[in-house]
Amino acid sequence: SQQGEEDPQALSIQEGENATMNCSYKTSINNLQWYRQNSGRGLVHLILIRSNEREKHSGRLRVTLDTSKKSSSLLITASRAADTASYFCATGEGGKLIFGQGTELSVKP
Amino acid sequence: DAGVTQSPTHLIKTRGQHVTLRCSPISGHKSVSWYQQVLGQGPQFIFQYYEKEERGRGNFPDRFSARQFPNYSSELNVNALLLGDSALYLCASSLDRGLNTGELFFGEGSRLTVL
Repeated sequence: SQQGEEDPQALSIQEGENATMNCSYKTSINNLQWYRQNSGRGLVHLILIRSNEREKHSGRLRVTLDTSKKSSSLLITASRAADTASYFCATGEGGKLIFGQGTELSVKP
Repeated sequence: DAGVTQSPTHLIKTRGQHVTLRCSPISGHKSVSWYQQVLGQGPQFIFQYYEKEERGRGNFPDRFSARQFPNYSSELNVNALLLGDSALYLCASSLDRGLNTGELFFGEGSRLTVL
């Protein structure tokens, strides 16, 4: 079973716009991660936020975490066509991650 | 530096057959995890191996087994294949058990089609 639920399931935007994806999870966590997957390929780690952090930035990415609501959001600013991919949140540790179902992002040039 | 490598990249099997998938972790990484990703879903955890011992197992039947070798490479075996085993099988490695960073490095996957 999936730990998290991403919302929306699919998102289509124009280049230059911002994209926001949300993730909810069920159990208490020590950290939450976001991964990206280009069509049918391997996952690439984007960012990790620890349970005692509320916000974290990495380049054009901004992640927030609200442990009281058991939710996280990923914001991609000034999106590019190359950002087109599926984005997954994941919780867990020790090599055992539990992934959500993902948000499929399409950025149109 | 070479990333996580998996073989084969694609394969087609028929129901009832057996399959072996292989994974070489990033040099120096001692932990290998296996995930199954069915089309349209997120990856699901199958196994983790660290220092050649099984450290975690997901909710998969006994038809699924794995092992890790002294060089930290790993094999995933699936017996008596079912149509529902068709999926992308992903291998991920990390330097330790992942308790500190949690970040996993994924290979490109092995796409299995069962006919």
